Amino acid sequence: GIQVEQSPPDLILQEGANSTLRCNFSDSVNNLQWFHQNPWGQLINLFYIPSGTKQNGRLSATTVATERYSLLYISSSQTTDSGVYFCAAGSNYKLTFGKGTLLTVNP
Amino acid sequence: ETGVTQSPTHLIKTRGQQVTLRCSSQSGHNTVSWYQQALGQGPQFIFQYYREEENGRGNFPPRFSGLQFPNYSSELNVNALELDDSALYLCASSLTHRQKETQYFGPGTRLLVL
Repeated sequence: GIQVEQSPPDLILQEGANSTLRCNFSDSVNNLQWFHQNPWGQLINLFYIPSGTKQNGRLSATTVATERYSLLYISSSQTTDSGVYFCAAGSNYKLTFGKGTLLTVNP
Repeated sequence: ETGVTQSPTHLIKTRGQQVTLRCSSQSGHNTVSWYQQALGQGPQFIFQYYREEENGRGNFPPRFSGLQFPNYSSELNVNALELDDSALYLCASSLTHRQKETQYFGPGTRLLVL
């Protein structure tokens, strides 16, 4: 099955800094999603992005399907951005998740 | 539009017992997937239901079973609970079973097996 690797595993930032989270996947996919998991466990959809580039406010994402990676950019980070960010990829009926990136934004 | 809901929010069981978790899909969605998230890990796919039939299954034993009802809500049943079944159980719904659809997740059920 598809393997998904995320980096870095942990990231600590000062408020206002920018960051880039990376997701590598092992095979071609037709579904790739980025999620933010809040402290209560809820997975919040950020992007559905099997290819191309999307932006939503301070967040943007790019997936280069031919090279099997996706990037999540967070600009001008805020303390409320803290939490775990997951990338999930799929080519049939299931999503395979990476281990996540734990982001801590300090005031 | 109502999002994905799950019940109960928390549950404590003892080893060997059976448990049923429930999920209501987002309005208009006919596909439900279940995931298990152990502490510190990413969610792992258990199975998917589409139009009341199991549409795919991950690497979980048969004591993990499910149902989907005509209104597309779903249940996850786990028999003979083991300590390692302690986890956050997440339900996701999507518009169809085709993979090119965004999956929307519910808030989860935290299960503790003692």
